[in-house]
Amino acid sequence: GAGVSQSPRYKVAKRGQDVALRCDPISGHVSLFWYQQALGQGPEFLTYFQNEAQLDKSGLPSDRFFAERPEGSVSTLKIQRTQQEDSAVYLCASSLLRVAYQPQHFGDGTRLSIL
Amino acid sequence: SQQGEEDPQALSIQEGENATMNCSYKTSINNLQWYRQNSGRGLVHLILIRSNEREKHSGRLRVTLDTSKKSSSLLITASRAADTASYFCATEGSNYKLTFGKGTLLTVNP
Repeated sequence: GAGVSQSPRYKVAKRGQDVALRCDPISGHVSLFWYQQALGQGPEFLTYFQNEAQLDKSGLPSDRFFAERPEGSVSTLKIQRTQQEDSAVYLCASSLLRVAYQPQHFGDGTRLSIL
Repeated sequence: SQQGEEDPQALSIQEGENATMNCSYKTSINNLQWYRQNSGRGLVHLILIRSNEREKHSGRLRVTLDTSKKSSSLLITASRAADTASYFCATEGSNYKLTFGKGTLLTVNP
């Protein structure tokens, strides 16, 4: 079956532009997560959805970052007025139910480069 | 912020040898998970060990957990070139979040 799909795979933007990153989770997966992975580092948690409800956004670095999942399936991570420090790989993951003891299934990420 | 530290940061071995990676963490956990990441790809879940378990096996993988020392190890036996990847440990605490370490880059030479 299809895994987690992210688009675009690569995004180059000029500083100050807005970007939108899309995540299609595995069908039926209730939980959805966004992570940010800097070069040579492990992923860092950004935000978590259970269905359409954003239950935790404590990892979002600033109010320029916004995520939504309006119908409980596809999610979009939006970054406004991008800065160079936003350059990273953005990973989306989904899991079937509430996370405890459930592995997360990751997409291949969007590599964002801010010039 | 990263929860844990993997050790070593990089490991290079020959095909057929065993590879051992260690992970230390700081806070109490519900479970600890290991993931693999090939270059330019997402993470793939390998194995999960609960806080009340001490050892778990899956194929060529063996994971141990010592909650008193807040540490875990991942052993890959009879390594293959295809095992070349970065390996991350991730802890899940009382909430649902995974907190990852910085990873170990494993290179298996044919």
